[in-house]
Amino acid sequence: AQSVTQLDSHVSVSEGTPVLLRCNYSSSYSPSLFWYVQHPNKGLQLLLKYTSAATLVKGINGFEAEFKKSETSFHLTKPSAHMSDAAEYFCVVSDRTSYDKVIFGPGTSLSVIP
Amino acid sequence: SQTIHQWPATLVQPVGSPLSLECTVEGTSNPNLYWYRQAAGRGLQLLFYSVGIGQISSEVPQNLSASRPQDRQFILSSKKLLLSDSGFYLCAWSVGQGGDQPQHFGDGTRLSIL
Repeated sequence: AQSVTQLDSHVSVSEGTPVLLRCNYSSSYSPSLFWYVQHPNKGLQLLLKYTSAATLVKGINGFEAEFKKSETSFHLTKPSAHMSDAAEYFCVVSDRTSYDKVIFGPGTSLSVIP
Repeated sequence: SQTIHQWPATLVQPVGSPLSLECTVEGTSNPNLYWYRQAAGRGLQLLFYSVGIGQISSEVPQNLSASRPQDRQFILSSKKLLLSDSGFYLCAWSVGQGGDQPQHFGDGTRLSIL
């Protein structure tokens, strides 16, 4: 069975300071992991994905995430927050061998204070 | 490049009325197609997915149904809407048999039931 835990339902940072959004997963399979961003009244946009290559994954808009198997974590980071980063972020785990075993985390709302 | 279209963007319907939401994908063949619902302030709930024309899998039993009349067209329907059907409906597509491919989302339909 698979599950995803996003440890913070809401994170608030000041503009220009680092962002850390935490994600832990549980999977019986070799997982693929994704981070998506959702701006208000919009669909989800893929930020980055991990599919068994390099454990440090770089995505769009300066975001990156590190896959740590020993900690079953896939935390999302950005060195310097921008006002446009304010959005909802979803961590997703899927079974690499099957398209229909995809689990979305509950989401973390990121606020950026000017 | 691939694109996904959902319409309408917003919809207000009375309780008991029928529903038809449409999603089309362009630029890819034989995609996997998905319908999700997102209640206010909550994560995504997978409603239906399809791996081919006429092939629909339901994840949550309710008064909604889905159909795939063409390869790149996915329709969400209801004969009689309930108040609990309010929410943000998202269509998504992916390719391949494995879960290592990300899903790509449309901009969603905001459905309000009165």
